[in-house]
Amino acid sequence: ETGVTQSPTHLIKTRGQQVTLRCSSQSGHNTVSWYQQALGQGPQFIFQYYREEENGRGNFPPRFSGLQFPNYSSELNVNALELDDSALYLCASSSRQGRRGEQYFGPGTRLTVT
Amino acid sequence: QKEVEQDPGPLSVPEGAIVSLNCTYSNSAFQYFMWYRQYSRKGPELLMYTYSSGNKEDGRFTAQVDKSSKYISLFIRDSQPSDSATYLCAMSVGTNAGKSTFGDGTTLTVKP
Repeated sequence: ETGVTQSPTHLIKTRGQQVTLRCSSQSGHNTVSWYQQALGQGPQFIFQYYREEENGRGNFPPRFSGLQFPNYSSELNVNALELDDSALYLCASSSRQGRRGEQYFGPGTRLTVT
Repeated sequence: QKEVEQDPGPLSVPEGAIVSLNCTYSNSAFQYFMWYRQYSRKGPELLMYTYSSGNKEDGRFTAQVDKSSKYISLFIRDSQPSDSATYLCAMSVGTNAGKSTFGDGTTLTVKP
């Protein structure tokens, strides 16, 4: 059973640029959630994808968007980067048919916006 | 005010001590309660989850939920230096753990 993987590990971007982060879900999981974790804080829910459709969004602006592919992998896109977007971006996978309290996180992508 | 408040710590204990980590919450609709462990520069690792009020034990870890007080706890018995990490509580409305609300974490150091 493969775990959740994310790429890239680290990324440095300039304010105003766009970025795409990628996630492969754990084997057997059909739901992917994205979180933003600022330094010293807990993860904040960005949005979730299920069956290639957005299934709920947290308090994040539209410049945060995503995709889910038929193999359940996912992308997070952030446009017009701001300094405050610097954070660890975490992807988590879960199964709507499986154990309801379980979601498993990848190692994260650390984004620095300068 | 945040929906989930967690004792910020940091917490430092000697090896073998019993550790108590706590969170309070304001949203009475939360049904699933999770505890994660996060090592520095890593993703959170799910330790335990519970549904509704009660206790759940897994090895050295016990999770406790008191919905009437909107208070949850994680107890670690016989703490080890390898338990040194940041502990995050998380909660979700309904059965979808993928839409969790997290506390800001408590950093624990277990000294040999």
